[in-house]
Amino acid sequence: EDKVVQSPLSLVVHEGDTVTLNCSYEVTNFRSLLWYKQEKKAPTFLFMLTSSGIEKKSGRLSSILDKKELFSILNITATQTGDSAVYLCGGSNYKLTFGKGTLLTVNP
Amino acid sequence: DAGVIQSPRHEVTEMGQEVTLRCKPISGHDYLFWYRQTMMRGLELLIYFNNNVPIDDSGMPEDRFSAKMPNASFSTLKIQPSEPRDSAVYFCASSFGTSGSGDQETQYFGPGTRLLVL
Repeated sequence: EDKVVQSPLSLVVHEGDTVTLNCSYEVTNFRSLLWYKQEKKAPTFLFMLTSSGIEKKSGRLSSILDKKELFSILNITATQTGDSAVYLCGGSNYKLTFGKGTLLTVNP
Repeated sequence: DAGVIQSPRHEVTEMGQEVTLRCKPISGHDYLFWYRQTMMRGLELLIYFNNNVPIDDSGMPEDRFSAKMPNASFSTLKIQPSEPRDSAVYFCASSFGTSGSGDQETQYFGPGTRLLVL
């Protein structure tokens, strides 16, 4: 059975801090790793990673995949209160298996 | 594009009633996914379609759940009879699938249907 594990489950930081969210996966016929941000609504797409060692960046967010060790990290620098959300990681072999998510709370 | 459209957005029903959730995927997407999200189990894939054909329904909890995709622009998820443990948020997502670049596999989620079964 495919499995995705995220850590930590929750995290509380102050504005301006840098955070690292972790995702490990065991997915048969793995194709890609996706990160989503979920506030009080539907998950919104952040990154899709298919190749090891190539960092993807979008503003203060970045992510990288290690296909040898079967994990990915999502970094957020200079956090803002608007970054507060659940961050979901999903391993894809056409269908997505999601982890339970990391609840990030950024306090002013 | 309007994105993935789901209806209704909220549904409150009584145990034993039939519930039908609806989804319109993004035009041109050939993959459609149904997910269920609860606090206890997180976001779980129920079933997905490719070109209107069900590919994997191993996540469907039991025979009370059924899904159809009669055409490329419409899908339904039906629960009959509904039970209180079916209370959850049900998401529909769509993607281009495997044609072209890997980025086309990115799934885009609808706003979800919040179901409460009393």
